[in-house]
Amino acid sequence: AQSVSQHNHHVILSEAASLELGCNYSYGGTVNLFWYVQYPGQHLQLLLKYFSGDPLVKGIKGFEAEFIKSKFSFNLRKPSVQWSDTAEYFCAVSFKAAGNKLTFGGGTRVLVKP
Amino acid sequence: NAGVTQTPKFRILKIGQSMTLQCTQDMNHNYMYWYRQDPGMGLKLIYYSVGAGITDKGEVPNGYNVSRSTTEDFPLRLELAAPSQTSVYFCASSDLTINSGANVLTFGAGSRLTVL
Repeated sequence: AQSVSQHNHHVILSEAASLELGCNYSYGGTVNLFWYVQYPGQHLQLLLKYFSGDPLVKGIKGFEAEFIKSKFSFNLRKPSVQWSDTAEYFCAVSFKAAGNKLTFGGGTRVLVKP
Repeated sequence: NAGVTQTPKFRILKIGQSMTLQCTQDMNHNYMYWYRQDPGMGLKLIYYSVGAGITDKGEVPNGYNVSRSTTEDFPLRLELAAPSQTSVYFCASSDLTINSGANVLTFGAGSRLTVL
């Protein structure tokens, strides 16, 4: 079965620090890749997505992610975080072989200290 | 434009009780989904529907049932609530296009269910 792994369950960092969250997926042929964010008390929102083309995609709020096909990875980055980036971040992959249903990673809780 | 609306937001059930979580979307999306979110486990797909009258099981369907009589509504039913069903439930919808195959989900606000 297809699977998505996020490397860290919890990340704590200070404002202005750089953030990188790892995401790897199992081999599954054609994929579409997503990062969703869930701010405290809110529902999940799309942060960014990759369908095709330039493997470096930019999303909202200064986030970007890089698709490395050879490593089955889609890591999320932000050069300088803010307190408002405190949230839980979910990597998700839709595998064409699985009818394009989304498979989510376990999530990474990010706490940014002011 | 309300998007995806879920009710109730919170509910406490006793073991063995039944209930229905309601989900409505006003975006005319064909695809609808129910996920449960448990700490450290991400979101697990319970059931999904590709259109009115069509439903299918996801990863964790046991103990749940769904129906899709209209494009807008996709209720999730728990027949005999168990403590293992304590979770946060999210309904989502998407307008999967055949060309792109890209599946961008719009989520509801979630329903927190506790079974005691």
